[in-house]
Amino acid sequence: EPEVTQTPSHQVTQMGQEVILRCVPISNHLYFYWYRQILGQKVEFLVSFYNNEISEKSEIFDDQFSVERPDGSNFTLKIRSTKLEDSAMYFCASLYHQNTEAFFGQGTRLTVV
Amino acid sequence: KQEVTQIPAALSVPEGENLVLNCSFTDSAIYNLQWFRQDPGKGLTSLLLIQSSQREQTSGRLNASLDKSSGRSTLYIAASQPGDSATYLCAADPYSGAGSYQLTFGKGTKLSVIP
Repeated sequence: EPEVTQTPSHQVTQMGQEVILRCVPISNHLYFYWYRQILGQKVEFLVSFYNNEISEKSEIFDDQFSVERPDGSNFTLKIRSTKLEDSAMYFCASLYHQNTEAFFGQGTRLTVV
Repeated sequence: KQEVTQIPAALSVPEGENLVLNCSFTDSAIYNLQWFRQDPGKGLTSLLLIQSSQREQTSGRLNASLDKSSGRSTLYIAASQPGDSATYLCAADPYSGAGSYQLTFGKGTKLSVIP
């Protein structure tokens, strides 16, 4: 069964460093997303990406964040200068078409120290 | 702004029992509502998607209903098994009209099924 793949599964970084989280969405999907979940809290929407551009972003997704689809398969989330409060589980999701099922990856646990 | 609430926050039942998980949302203008399962430290597994024009969806022992007018959805699990132990999340897709798709999640119900 096709699945969304995220790497790494766990990343520890020092405050102020840049991190790149990687995702390989399901191959025929057209819509791509990043969500995050701080420990013990709700899953929160960060950004949606369609047709090679951001279609929507939340207030969390400030200038420190960026997304890219550098080739036909990868979808990345970059955090330029990490803060302690960026520590969370980051989930990538994709779907084939609007109003269809969203498939999530297993997540990357980011720990900023 | 859409708010999603799930009650109860935690539920413990003996194996074999039928159970209902509740989800409520504040804005009835939604594209769809989706139920997920999350195991500890893991990703989200999609269980059921109910589109706004539908009243319910079934998959195996799971049945999800949607009442948009009252802002409620329920997930019914029949004949619960220890393997059903997990956190169950509901998520509403608000109708933005702009062709976007972003899910607003509840905090989840942590289910424990006791053998």
